[in-house]
Amino acid sequence: GQQLNQSPQSMFIQEGEDVSMNCTSSSIFNTWLWYKQDPGEGPVLLIALYKAGELTSNGRLTAQFGITRKDSFLNISASIPSDVGIYFCAGHNTGNQFYFGTGTSLTVIP
Amino acid sequence: EAGVAQSPRYKIIEKRQSVAFWCNPISGHATLYWYQQILGQGPKLLIQFQNNGVVDDSQLPKDRFSAERLKGVDSTLKIQPAKLEDSAVYLCASSPHRLAGGMYFGAGTRLSVL
Repeated sequence: GQQLNQSPQSMFIQEGEDVSMNCTSSSIFNTWLWYKQDPGEGPVLLIALYKAGELTSNGRLTAQFGITRKDSFLNISASIPSDVGIYFCAGHNTGNQFYFGTGTSLTVIP
Repeated sequence: EAGVAQSPRYKIIEKRQSVAFWCNPISGHATLYWYQQILGQGPKLLIQFQNNGVVDDSQLPKDRFSAERLKGVDSTLKIQPAKLEDSAVYLCASSPHRLAGGMYFGAGTRLSVL
């Protein structure tokens, strides 16, 4: 199945810093989803995007649906220790399947 | 609103044994997914149901994996016989409609095959 390219693969940041990560695809998607997964748990949906160019916020998180429909971005502002985890993007296309990114591992240093 | 329920949370079996996982999706969600997540990787779709019909099972190893969704609600995923490479977390997810809406995951079942 198709795999989305997610970068960076890992990040180590100081508490209070902002974080940016992105996801790219070779094909067009109609929906982009961003998830956070803690160890031993299932992914938790953070933000869903349904329209090219859409910019959506959820607290300190902001995500954008790229205008080419082949990419998406997630930003976290003023990071805190509980932001630690693995962040996954997922794209949904007209073929009716969700494809997942490879994940970005975030470590926040207090 | 109750989330996606999965059981068991953990399972340890020996190779060639059988195992079954159960999932109860969010009430009213028509679409149910089973994913396999190997350590360090993103989830990989095994099978997708729309109500009680299969929409996509192209990546399901059908010689050993089977899944059903009786009455369009609960679902079970079975592996028979298990192989060492089946060790993974099996995640169930549901969404309100296959073409729209977010997809919500359960906590998963961690399978170890020895």
